[in-house]
Amino acid sequence: GEDVEQSLFLSVREGDSSVINCTYTDSSSTYLYWYKQEPGAGLQLLTYIFSNMDMKQDQRLTVLLNKKDKHLSLRIADTQTGDSAIYFCAEMISDYKLSFGAGTTVTVRA
Amino acid sequence: GAVVSQHPSWVICKSGTSVKIECRSLDFQATTMFWYRQFPKQSLMLMATSNEGSKATYEQGVEKDKFLINHASLTLSTLTVTSAHPEDSSFYICSARDPGQQYEQYFGPGTRLTVT
Repeated sequence: GEDVEQSLFLSVREGDSSVINCTYTDSSSTYLYWYKQEPGAGLQLLTYIFSNMDMKQDQRLTVLLNKKDKHLSLRIADTQTGDSAIYFCAEMISDYKLSFGAGTTVTVRA
Repeated sequence: GAVVSQHPSWVICKSGTSVKIECRSLDFQATTMFWYRQFPKQSLMLMATSNEGSKATYEQGVEKDKFLINHASLTLSTLTVTSAHPEDSSFYICSARDPGQQYEQYFGPGTRLTVT
């Protein structure tokens, strides 16, 4: 099974904020990532955070990192229908390899 | 950002045949590429690390004789699924690492393989 864990589903109303949570296990991970995957497509890097940071904000996206609890979250402000997708949390483990969570399917309802 | 392409986008083949999937970095040289497999509604599982000019490194449980990887140039890695079976049907995704980047890998759009 995955070492990175995420909740599987999230339903959110358009215009509200979405928060996706993730826990990881490798405390030596240097980079943590959020990727977006739309149906039938590859992965799009949304944002990443270096392990010595607590927070990173990039337009509508806010990443929070709690190293003590190995907890990572992604907040999407003002969620739009185009944000409906699967969101993967990932950590860089070794030799630039990435370990992915199972993905959170976000559904935005009108 | 950098672009990684995969070819074909989707392929249907018969059991027992082999199929080759290409992964290309279009505007940078990738010394390292990764191959992932994704089952429907599941995560990406790393299959192998492809290093230019040397043998690929396979993850535990991945059959190297079944999934042949060749990284003959700095912009091309290929994955050949040999003697394909229906259980090999999956979405195969590659990623490429730009040596000048510390944190980012660039993902291809994926190849859908269906074995009948």
